[in-house]
Amino acid sequence: ETGVTQTPRHLVMGMTNKKSLKCEQHLGHNAMYWYKQSAKKPLELMFVYSLEERVENNSVPSRFSPECPNSSHLFLHLHTLQPEDSALYLCASSQDRADGYTFGSGTRLTVV
Amino acid sequence: DQQVKQNSPSLSVQEGRISILNCDYTNSMFDYFLWYKKYPAEGPTFLISISSIKDKNEDGRFTVFLNKSAKHLSLHIVPSQPGDSAVYFCAASAFGAAGNKLTFGGGTRVLVKP
Repeated sequence: ETGVTQTPRHLVMGMTNKKSLKCEQHLGHNAMYWYKQSAKKPLELMFVYSLEERVENNSVPSRFSPECPNSSHLFLHLHTLQPEDSALYLCASSQDRADGYTFGSGTRLTVV
Repeated sequence: DQQVKQNSPSLSVQEGRISILNCDYTNSMFDYFLWYKKYPAEGPTFLISISSIKDKNEDGRFTVFLNKSAKHLSLHIVPSQPGDSAVYFCAASAFGAAGNKLTFGGGTRVLVKP
């Protein structure tokens, strides 16, 4: 148990589907993040939420829409994705110290 | 352009020997550096970190060295154990970055052979 739970673990969706990824943390952290890990690429930061406010959108296409309803939950809403969006999507949370970054196990997304 | 680079995608080492992983960065605003370890089907887990005011930090078998002038850091694992086989990510952050944003390298896959 890492303290950060992501669901689902695996997701296959068509390009016209709408789906959501969910992330939940009960560590009392005040910041949450979405990262994308594609094959043979570094982890790419997508979104940062600090105190439930989005503080960074790292030039992510609008087909990815984040939502942070409270400090414990983070969603990533997906619609009209492309096959190149297939990747491992990782959620993380942190308190004030950088080494307090805790990752979830990720959602392996395949777009067909 | 990648601000944090791990130029060796893989490393193979014999059990009991030293593993040395390298990481280079370009952004001089980075002041905190971390190493994460990732097993398949799991998220990365924090391993060790170092502040830019230090040049070495040690935790058991793991030691991180920082050379600010060269913008280079390395992770030493000694002695290496089969359970250390994983992908290792170098990461960096800048003071004041919104939400403690981390920038990651591409990772180095380590295989420790028994």
